Amino acid sequence: KQEVTQIPAALSVPEGENLVLNCSFTDSAIYNLQWFRQDPGKGLTSLLLIQSSQREQTSGRLNASLDKSSGRSTLYIAASQPGDSATYLCAVNDQGAQKLVFGQGTRLTINP
Amino acid sequence: GAGVSQSPSNKVTEKGKDVELRCDPISGHTALYWYRQSLGQGLEFLIYFQGNSAPDKSGLPSDRFSAERTGGSVSTLTIQRTQQEDSAVYLCASSLDSLDYEQYFGPGTRLTVT
Repeated sequence: KQEVTQIPAALSVPEGENLVLNCSFTDSAIYNLQWFRQDPGKGLTSLLLIQSSQREQTSGRLNASLDKSSGRSTLYIAASQPGDSATYLCAVNDQGAQKLVFGQGTRLTINP
Repeated sequence: GAGVSQSPSNKVTEKGKDVELRCDPISGHTALYWYRQSLGQGLEFLIYFQGNSAPDKSGLPSDRFSAERTGGSVSTLTIQRTQQEDSAVYLCASSLDSLDYEQYFGPGTRLTVT
């Protein structure tokens, strides 16, 4: 059974810092991995999708990497801003069953 | 274009009543998913549709939960005889196809059972 773990559970940093969020998964048989952002009381916004054959994806200040063989992904946020404050969720699209399996999320706070 | 929409945005119901939650996927998306987000459990998969068929219902927590999809578009999640433990945010997502495509989520329906 696929399990996804995100570390840390919460992170608070001053504005302007670069930071890394971590995600690990137990079964490397995945189609892809998605990073999402969730603001309080809102739905999920897709940030980046990495296919299983890819190593990384970039969008603006965000860069996500994937090491499928070791079951790890990182989300790098450059020059953080208060507007980046949200919960970040990692999810893998399991080959065994066509669904997303989510981690518990990292609650990120950027302090002005 | 329009994203995934869900209605109602909030629903308060009494224990024992039935509720219906609706999802309108992105036009042209053949795959549709329902997930549930509750405080203690995080985000969990409920059911997946490919067209009007549901190949995977493994996440439905009990036989009080059912879902259907018609015309390869709108989906309805029905919860019968609601219980307090059904209180959660119900999220719907759609994707172009079921295999390796990005899933796009709606804003969710917050269900509160009193």
